[in-house]
Amino acid sequence: QKEVEQDPGPLSVPEGAIVSLNCTYSNSAFQYFMWYRQYSRKGPELLMYTYSSGNKEDGRFTAQVDKSSKYISLFIRDSQPSDSATYLCAMSPISGGANSKLTFGKGITLSVRP
Amino acid sequence: GAVVSQHPSRVICKSGTSVKIECRSLDFQATTMFWYRQFPKQSLMLMATSNEGSKATYEQGVEKDKFLINHASLTLSTLTVTSAHPEDSSFYICSATGLYGYTFGSGTRLTVV
Repeated sequence: QKEVEQDPGPLSVPEGAIVSLNCTYSNSAFQYFMWYRQYSRKGPELLMYTYSSGNKEDGRFTAQVDKSSKYISLFIRDSQPSDSATYLCAMSPISGGANSKLTFGKGITLSVRP
Repeated sequence: GAVVSQHPSRVICKSGTSVKIECRSLDFQATTMFWYRQFPKQSLMLMATSNEGSKATYEQGVEKDKFLINHASLTLSTLTVTSAHPEDSSFYICSATGLYGYTFGSGTRLTVV
């Protein structure tokens, strides 16, 4: 079993739809959870950064972490064609320093149709 | 916010030559930087952890003599692909940790011909 599993996709939705992206993990030591957006041939861009369980909202994006179920989600409201990209979940047991390397999900490619 | 500058964005080199990729943290100090490799439609694979003033820590299966990492200052880490071969062609990305969490460079597409 991989440490981080992410729905494989690809995912195609109409403009304006609510998008739900999910990851599960097996390492209970993970405390910091992130979602990155990556456009083609570009580096990942941090969307959401959360610590431990709970919800965090930023504009059209909401991140949820359920540590008891080892499950994290990213919701995108009112999706736009500009949201079309690959989304990667990532997590780490600590923040900062040499031992804070991230473990990534495989990524899911989202396409928002106009 | 934190910015990580990575250069070059794209490089084509001949087989057997060496290529250096630079990663700079522009507005913060990064004691730790990470180097990743990404194949098409794949996730990021951590190659090594670069620590300022000390030797890099390489992940299992990554040849440290082939992928030389130098982190000589708090704002600069370099990855040198030595004696490059076509199978080294890939997308290389660096990241740094600072006050704003993990920030990634824009990546370098290496093509070895």
